[in-house]
Amino acid sequence: ETGVTQTPRHLVMGMTNKKSLKCEQHLGHNAMYWYKQSAKKPLELMFVYSLEERVENNSVPSRFSPECPNSSHLFLHLHTLQPEDSALYLCASSQGGPGSTDTQYFGPGTRLTVL
Amino acid sequence: EDQVTQSPEALRLQEGESSSLNCSYTVSGLRGLFWYRQDPGKGPEFLFTLYSAGEEKEKERLKATLTKKESFLHITAPKPEDSATYLCAVQTRYNFNKFYFGSGTKLNVKP
Repeated sequence: ETGVTQTPRHLVMGMTNKKSLKCEQHLGHNAMYWYKQSAKKPLELMFVYSLEERVENNSVPSRFSPECPNSSHLFLHLHTLQPEDSALYLCASSQGGPGSTDTQYFGPGTRLTVL
Repeated sequence: EDQVTQSPEALRLQEGESSSLNCSYTVSGLRGLFWYRQDPGKGPEFLFTLYSAGEEKEKERLKATLTKKESFLHITAPKPEDSATYLCAVQTRYNFNKFYFGSGTKLNVKP
């Protein structure tokens, strides 16, 4: 595997379900990100982790819970979601750290549908 | 308020018809401006990073330029495979963790 991978690629869940999205980066990067992409709207930054520490939480509802167990893996735990949470969820990574390039590399995304 | 605006929202070109996409931004100190290409159902693919006014970068038929208020993505003699949504993002100097994306320009190149 190369680059940034995400699983599952598609997910359909009911409002009472609990599910998790997984992201893995194979680039040796130190920073990882979760974004939400809804139709006709700009990408919305949700969470940022740098060296496994959460450094940004963009006023995201508590029904979204991120987890970063190590610098290569990032999870987004979902529970009691709403239909308006249906979107493409993108994971990205960047080199991170002082003096480094901040170019983000994205995974293919998870298409989430909440019924 | 930090903001990124892309225009036009959609652009239809004939193969070989050159044009430019615009990304205008208002941020309190620019650290970097990024261009991405996104195909339907896929994640954004990195194209360019620009850091200072006057900087230019090229890749095949694409050329990105940067001024103090906007960036252009010039497409020379486009081909149908250039059809995609092009996204612009800015990173601010006061918070390296913040990236602001525009809504994108959807480009359709007809053969």
